[in-house]
Amino acid sequence: GQQLNQSPQSMFIQEGEDVSMNCTSSSIFNTWLWYKQDPGEGPVLLIALYKAGELTSNGRLTAQFGITRKDSFLNISASIPSDVGIYFCAGQVGNTPLVFGKGTRLSVIA
Amino acid sequence: DSGVTQTPKHLITATGQRVTLRCSPRSGDLSVYWYQQSLDQGLQFLIHYYNGEERAKGNILERFSAQQFPDLHSELNLSSLELGDSALYFCASSVVGLAAQETQYFGPGTRLLVL
Repeated sequence: GQQLNQSPQSMFIQEGEDVSMNCTSSSIFNTWLWYKQDPGEGPVLLIALYKAGELTSNGRLTAQFGITRKDSFLNISASIPSDVGIYFCAGQVGNTPLVFGKGTRLSVIA
Repeated sequence: DSGVTQTPKHLITATGQRVTLRCSPRSGDLSVYWYQQSLDQGLQFLIHYYNGEERAKGNILERFSAQQFPDLHSELNLSSLELGDSALYFCASSVVGLAAQETQYFGPGTRLLVL
């Protein structure tokens, strides 16, 4: 089946630093989504991307839908302690089930 | 708070047992999705129900079954439990779920531990 490769697996950064993580696939997706999961909670949607090349921002977060439709990245600028959590990418083709990456665990050192 | 509720929050049981996980979707949402999250596999789609009918199946074991009731709440039944079934089980809901570009809202999850 389809698989998403998400990297890095984990990151330790200083507060105030920028963060970049990405997701790649061997197959094409029509939709790319980025979720954040806090400890003990379910994933929360951060950004949704629906067109190849689309660049979308949500506050300090920016995500892009790769032009090949096989990749996406998420950037977080000026990280703060509450950015800690696990970030998941997810891809979708039409209305088929979401395919998730294995997540990037972000730790922020104050 | 996503508006999706799941009970129980934690469940500890023994191998061979059967458990039922419950999910109430957001008010007005007709679709319910179940996912399993384990440490090494990430979030895996199990099954999707729309307005009481099964719409899509993922890598759901035969020992697992689900249903969606007329009031739109859903239950995931896990039987003949094995150690490897220990995981977080999430329910998500969406308004319709039959078209693309529809947001899924996740519940807080049920943490299952099989001893």
